[in-house]
Amino acid sequence: GENVEQHPSTLSVQEGDSAVIKCTYSDSASNYFPWYKQELGKGPQLIIDIRSNVGEKKDQRIAVTLNKTAKHFSLHITETQPEDSAVYFCAATPEDKLVFGAGTILRVKS
Amino acid sequence: EAGVAQSPRYKIIEKRQSVAFWCNPISGHATLYWYQQILGQGPKLLIQFQNNGVVDDSQLPKDRFSAERLKGVDSTLKIQPAKLEDSAVYLCASSPSARSGYTFGSGTRLTVV
Repeated sequence: GENVEQHPSTLSVQEGDSAVIKCTYSDSASNYFPWYKQELGKGPQLIIDIRSNVGEKKDQRIAVTLNKTAKHFSLHITETQPEDSAVYFCAATPEDKLVFGAGTILRVKS
Repeated sequence: EAGVAQSPRYKIIEKRQSVAFWCNPISGHATLYWYQQILGQGPKLLIQFQNNGVVDDSQLPKDRFSAERLKGVDSTLKIQPAKLEDSAVYLCASSPSARSGYTFGSGTRLTVV
């Protein structure tokens, strides 16, 4: 089955710096790759997603890139703010279901 | 648009007791998922419904877990009897179509003591 690896497990950045989280997947059938932000006591919230026919997508300070050949995709957050502190999960979708990475704890220091 | 509703928010039970969780998906969403999220890990799929039929329950521990989605809307997930290792957050998600628009509820935090 699909295996999604996510790195790093924790990431601390200074406010205003950029943050990058990377994921790799194993199942070439996956063609939809969402990223979720999870705050304490809440369910995961979709922040951006990308399909396999697109190499890059941007939404304000957040961007995602996908390299289908290498089977990896990345989340880029620019100009980080304290409210960006949370756990971020990548996911891949073999057979119409989400398989998640282990998560990255992002801490933005002000 | 109302989100995915889950209840209760928290539940504490003793091992070997039973517990049930409820989920009401977004109106019109045909697909419903139950995920288990153990502290410090990503969510793991337990069961997937398409309308009121089970699509995938390969990761559901069927000796103690059961789930149903009557009339293709609300769903309940039951654990009987509970074990200590069942302590986790149980998340419900729904989507209108394949591979897009997955929306999660806030989850039920289960503690088994």
